[in-house]
Amino acid sequence: NAGVTQTPKFQVLKTGQSMTLQCAQDMNHEYMSWYRQDPGMGLRLIHYSVGAGITDQGEVPNGYNVSRSTTEDFPLRLLSAAPSQTSVYFCASSYSAAYEQYFGPGTRLTVT
Amino acid sequence: AQSVTQLGSHVSVSEGALVLLRCNYSSSVPPYLFWYVQYPNQGLQLLLKYTTGATLVKGINGFEAEFKKSETSFHLTKPSAHMSDAAEYFCAVRKNDMRFGAGTRLTVKP
Repeated sequence: NAGVTQTPKFQVLKTGQSMTLQCAQDMNHEYMSWYRQDPGMGLRLIHYSVGAGITDQGEVPNGYNVSRSTTEDFPLRLLSAAPSQTSVYFCASSYSAAYEQYFGPGTRLTVT
Repeated sequence: AQSVTQLGSHVSVSEGALVLLRCNYSSSVPPYLFWYVQYPNQGLQLLLKYTTGATLVKGINGFEAEFKKSETSFHLTKPSAHMSDAAEYFCAVRKNDMRFGAGTRLTVKP
């Protein structure tokens, strides 16, 4: 099992550009989520999904879109990048709410 | 909505000393509780979790935590710190989604 994979590892964007952060898992987990990590703020939930076709907003959803067309993939789209979106982004998955989440290695995004 | 408070953004202990990292949660119903560790430039790794049953849970690397419903706490302890324990530790609470505390950076002095 590869677990949770994220691409790219690093990305630099200019303000106003759009991009998609990719996340995939091969553990047949129903639950997937996206977090951003900023110094002193821990991990904040952006969006999550409890299964294919079902998504919901977390704490900080503004400026981000998600979709879940398959169990395996959960891409995160930045519609128009802003410097405030400079962060490290983590994708995670789990079998259900009662189980721990497995985290990907992260994507470090810089918006200039 | 649930939330998590970790008391102390930085904790420093000497090698061999007790490690105590504090976590309090607020939730309308008893949640599932987790502790994760993050080493520099890496993702998060599960240390331990509480879902149901025994309130004292043991995890990896000699860590344990006790769920105290009356105090809404889930503090993380280790009897004797090792240099390799230096990392950032996150407490998390979960019902449908998982929410994290701000993290506690543990430094271990030789």
